[in-house]
Amino acid sequence: DTEVTQTPKHLVMGMTNKKSLKCEQHMGHRAMYWYKQKAKKPPELMFVYSYEKLSINESVPSRFSPECPNSSLLNLHLHALQPEDSALYLCASSQEPGLAGDGSTDTQYFGPGTRLTVL
Amino acid sequence: EDQVTQSPEALRLQEGESSSLNCSYTVSGLRGLFWYRQDPGKGPEFLFTLYSAGEEKEKERLKATLTKKESFLHITAPKPEDSATYLCALSDQTGANNLFFGTGTRLTVIP
Repeated sequence: DTEVTQTPKHLVMGMTNKKSLKCEQHMGHRAMYWYKQKAKKPPELMFVYSYEKLSINESVPSRFSPECPNSSLLNLHLHALQPEDSALYLCASSQEPGLAGDGSTDTQYFGPGTRLTVL
Repeated sequence: EDQVTQSPEALRLQEGESSSLNCSYTVSGLRGLFWYRQDPGKGPEFLFTLYSAGEEKEKERLKATLTKKESFLHITAPKPEDSATYLCALSDQTGANNLFFGTGTRLTVIP
């Protein structure tokens, strides 16, 4: 089973709202990722968690706050977003972080995404 | 710096008309090259991982090949349900877990 789940599927929020995106995987993967994808563009990496610790933050504004409560769960907390933050937010996981494995363990499995609209 | 370039940007095929998508890359130490399929508004679906030049993998109408400079995704006798954006990505020896993505090829198969 290579399933990554994400909730909600769609989210509409105002610029003053606080909301959270959730991601879950039960494959025993030790690396989890958040990506942002705009229409007709490839996914852009936001954050990487390795063994439940934040290892990469790609200069993402502080209005996005990631959290990894345990090895299966990943959250993205949203606060005071701007309309330009509207996008498809993707969660992914891979077996091992860094160089721990070989190329096969770099394979990232993506969830279905959350379509976020900021009004 | 790693680079991934996909061509063509868009491709329209008649049903049954075979073709190939190209992914050219430059990397300092390839660990893996990945192909994904993405339908509009959905997350990328994993297709293949290739590790070394000369390697080939197949799945139904799709076949991925790898050389030291490029990868091809061959589509044999495509059907309308193969219409999607196909993304190529790679990981390198820095161990940073980044996937470097190309901009994708939007494939449309016409019945």
